[in-house]
Amino acid sequence: KQEVTQIPAALSVPEGENLVLNCSFTDSAIYNLQWFRQDPGKGLTSLLLIQSSQREQTSGRLNASLDKSSGRSTLYIAASQPGDSATYLCAADSNSGYALNFGKGTSLLVTP
Amino acid sequence: GAGVSQTPSNKVTEKGKYVELRCDPISGHTALYWYRQSLGQGPEFLIYFQGTGAADDSGLPNDRFFAVRPEGSVSTLKIQRTERGDSAVYLCASSTRTSGTDTQYFGPGTRLTVL
Repeated sequence: KQEVTQIPAALSVPEGENLVLNCSFTDSAIYNLQWFRQDPGKGLTSLLLIQSSQREQTSGRLNASLDKSSGRSTLYIAASQPGDSATYLCAADSNSGYALNFGKGTSLLVTP
Repeated sequence: GAGVSQTPSNKVTEKGKYVELRCDPISGHTALYWYRQSLGQGPEFLIYFQGTGAADDSGLPNDRFFAVRPEGSVSTLKIQRTERGDSAVYLCASSTRTSGTDTQYFGPGTRLTVL
């Protein structure tokens, strides 16, 4: 079974800092890795999806990288803003290609 | 366009009762997923539908849980003889299941509380 781990569990940074969230997974035979944002009491918002053949994806201030061989992905957030405060979840499928296996998330607080 | 919708948004029930949770996927999405999220945890997979059929139900915790998607669109998750441990947020997601990529779009969830 695919196991996903996210480090750190919580992070607090001042506004304007660049930051990196880490995700590791145990089964490198993935089709996709997806990063989500979850605001308190809300559902999940998809941020970026990286296909197994890709090394990175970018959207605005967000950049996600994927290293299948080492079982790692990172989410880089540039010039953080208070509005970025949320829980960030990493999810990887497995060689079945269907279900997403989630980490527990990183709770991010960006202070003004 | 409209996203994934789920009803009800909140459901409070008593131990032993039966509940139904509904999911309306994005129009045209053939794949539909149910997940369950407990407090402080990431979502856990329950079941996946491709069209009308359950392609993978390996995440259903026991036979009290059942889900249907009779017309390949709306899905209902059914829980019999609810237990306090069933309390969680139940999330539904849908996707186009295009070969090579499968962005899953999530609904807002149904918060189930079993007293």
